[in-house]
Order: sequence, then C-alpha cells, then structure tokens
Amino acid sequence: SQQGEEDPQALSIQEGENATMNCSYKTSINNLQWYRQNSGRGLVHLILIRSNEREKHSGRLRVTLDTSKKSSSLLITASRAADTASYFCATDESNDYKLSFGAGTTVTVRA
Amino acid sequence: DVKVTQSSRYLVKRTGEKVFLECVQDMDHENMFWYRQDPGLGLRLIYFSYDVKMKEKGDIPEGYSVSREKKERFSLILESASTNQTSMYLCASSLSGRGEQYFGPGTRLTVT
Repeated sequence: SQQGEEDPQALSIQEGENATMNCSYKTSINNLQWYRQNSGRGLVHLILIRSNEREKHSGRLRVTLDTSKKSSSLLITASRAADTASYFCATDESNDYKLSFGAGTTVTVRA
Repeated sequence: DVKVTQSSRYLVKRTGEKVFLECVQDMDHENMFWYRQDPGLGLRLIYFSYDVKMKEKGDIPEGYSVSREKKERFSLILESASTNQTSMYLCASSLSGRGEQYFGPGTRLTVT
C-alpha cells in the first residue's frame, strides 16, 4: 500500500534556486526517509527523520516533519544540475516492519 | 560502502518463460527486499526477507516467488512471465527492517 504521497509531481527550477517538495502520509510512523533516484538507476538514501524529531539537516538538505499534520518537507538549497532526479519519501507504519514509498517528485534543475 | 548488485541491468524475456532475478549484498544485512517500479506508481513491495529461508509477502506478491538460501543472496522468480510484469525491478537490503535501505542499480525487464 502507498502510504506517502509527494507533492508536486514535478518541479522545474533554475540552478541556484531552492527546491521544496512535500510528503503526506496517512498513519502513525516511527520514522520518515527521503531517497533520490537518478534517471534509470537505484535509489540512494538521503536522510532519515524520526517521529520525535521536527527538523534535520544534511549538507544542502533540510527536512521537516510535522506529525500532527502527517506531513514532511524536503528543501534543497542552492540547487545544482546534479540535483536533477526523482525524490521519494518512505514511511514505516508504527506496527509494520517495512517501508512504503510514494510516487515521487521529479526535479529538473535548469542551467 | 554497502554494495548491492543485481544480475542484469536489462533483460528481455518471452511470455511464459521462467525468469530469475538475482540480488547480492555484501554488508551482512539481515533484511532484503524486492520492489517493482512503474511510472506514476512509485515503488511497490513484492516480497521481503528478514532472515535466511524466511520470506514475507509484500503488497503485490501475485505471480512472483522468492528464494533466500544464503544471507547475502535474494532471488526473485517469475514463474511464468507475463507482459504486465514488464517493469523496473529494484532490490534493496537493510540492517534493520525500518532503517535505511541500500538499493541495487535495478533490472529493467521487458516481457514480450
């Protein structure tokens, strides 16, 4: 079952701009993760935020989590051409042992 | 670095053929997963395994089976391939069931 849903489906920005994408989910979670997928390749883990955390940073990435709204956002600052990829959120339901992935946000960074 | 490898990047099979997709990880991870990825649908879990010889159905197990005889290897089997199984297949492994997953490069399977 697809727990997370990303918004928007697609995003096009100029190099140097910030990119923000959102993820909404339905049930209680233990943690939420973000992954990146370059065209035709496997997914790469970016960041994990636990349900008791509100914000987390990793390099140019900033993730927020609002469990009351069941939503998360991923911000990529000062985007580069290499950030062109699809981004997925993944959640685990509190009583489950596996991840559910959303359909992803496709980000295009124009030079 | 964790490495997850998949036996083929591209595969073309005929309807009715038995298809084996192999996945190997080198980090002694307990958990391994098979997903399929289709446009607009994201990743859907087919099967996962949390130990050798253990397997659990995911969200879309119909038409698939799996085998995990050794900790590092997790195979996905399409007993009789059909055209609706044309997809990208991704294998992943993780140390804990809810933790970070490491993905292989994917196998793009076309069934004609």
